[in-house]
Amino acid sequence: AQSVTQPDIHITVSEGASLELRCNYSYGATPYLFWYVQSPGQGLQLLLKYFSGDTLVQGIKGFEAEFKRSQSSFNLRKPSVHWSDAAEYFCAVGAGGTSYGKLTFGQGTILTVHP
Amino acid sequence: DSGVTQTPKHLITATGQRVTLRCSPRSGDLSVYWYQQSLDQGLQFLIQYYNGEERAKGNILERFSAQQFPDLHSELNLSSLELGDSALYFCASSDSGRLNNEQFFGPGTRLTVL
Repeated sequence: AQSVTQPDIHITVSEGASLELRCNYSYGATPYLFWYVQSPGQGLQLLLKYFSGDTLVQGIKGFEAEFKRSQSSFNLRKPSVHWSDAAEYFCAVGAGGTSYGKLTFGQGTILTVHP
Repeated sequence: DSGVTQTPKHLITATGQRVTLRCSPRSGDLSVYWYQQSLDQGLQFLIQYYNGEERAKGNILERFSAQQFPDLHSELNLSSLELGDSALYFCASSDSGRLNNEQFFGPGTRLTVL
């Protein structure tokens, strides 16, 4: 069965600083990987996804993530954090190939941004 | 606004009761997913429907059931409610139901069982 680990429950950064959120996955086949963001009181919004090809993927809001098969990781990065990035971030792995869309989520990382 | 609507926003009920959560997918989307978000279990996949048929099942309790109607809206029924069922329930939709199609999430229904 697939699983996702986000080792950091809570991260605090200063506005303008760089950010890296860690994600490790376990899945027997080639994974479908996703990062979602959840703002307080909101649903989840997709930041970016990886299915195949270039291992560095660009997403919305200036985020990027790098797939590293050897490390089973899909870390999310942003070069300069804005106060509006404060939210909870979820990494997810998709199972079932292309036939259905079940997602398994990590426990989430809460990002706090200091001015 | 994702285009996915969920009603009600909040629901407070008692143990042993039954509730129905409703989801309307984005226009044109054929697949609906239900997820449960709780403090102890995190965000878990419950069930997926595609064009009225069950497509995939996750950690959904036998006390819970769902269906997708011909107009593509979906309902999640929770019965014999327990305190541990208190959670945020999300509905998501996508056009084809496959992994390479983005799932758009609704704002959620917060269920409190007293």
